[in-house]
Amino acid sequence: GENVEQHPSTLSVQEGDSAVIKCTYSDSASNYFPWYKQELGKGPQLIIDIRSNVGEKKDQRIAVTLNKTAKHFSLHITETQPEDSAVYFCAAPPWEQLIWGAGTKLIIKP
Amino acid sequence: DAGVIQSPRHEVTEMGQEVTLRCKPISGHNSLFWYRQTMMRGLELLIYFNNNVPIDDSGMPEDRFSAKMPNASFSTLKIQPSEPRDSAVYFCASSPGLAGGEQYFGPGTRLTVT
Repeated sequence: GENVEQHPSTLSVQEGDSAVIKCTYSDSASNYFPWYKQELGKGPQLIIDIRSNVGEKKDQRIAVTLNKTAKHFSLHITETQPEDSAVYFCAAPPWEQLIWGAGTKLIIKP
Repeated sequence: DAGVIQSPRHEVTEMGQEVTLRCKPISGHNSLFWYRQTMMRGLELLIYFNNNVPIDDSGMPEDRFSAKMPNASFSTLKIQPSEPRDSAVYFCASSPGLAGGEQYFGPGTRLTVT
């Protein structure tokens, strides 16, 4: 079955610096790769996603890159701000359901 | 739309008691997912429905857990009897029902079994 590995489990960066979180997946048939952000006490919320016919997608300070050959995709956050502190999850679908990474706790230091 | 609605938000119960968690998905969404989140195991998919029909329940831990979706606007997750190891945050999510679509999560139910 599909397996998704996410690294690092915790990431601490200085406010204003960039943060990068990486995920690898196993199922070559996967063609949709979302990233979710979970703030304390809330459910995960989609922040950006990418489909397999695209190599990179940007939305203001966040971007996702996809390397289908290597089976990995990454979340990039530039100019980090305090409100970026949260847990971030990557996911990949075998079908409609998603297989989730273990999550990355992002800490923004003032 | 009010988003995905879950109740109760917090539940504290004693071991052996029956627990029922409730979910109202976003109107018009065809798929509904129940997840469990713990520090040890992360975010686990328990079961998912499409058009009120259970499609994949392979994540349901054991027979103590059951889920129903009697209509498009309501679903329940029942644990009977509950055990301390069931303590977790349970999320319900819904999606429009297309492969590769966004899942919209509810606020979760924090369950504590003593």
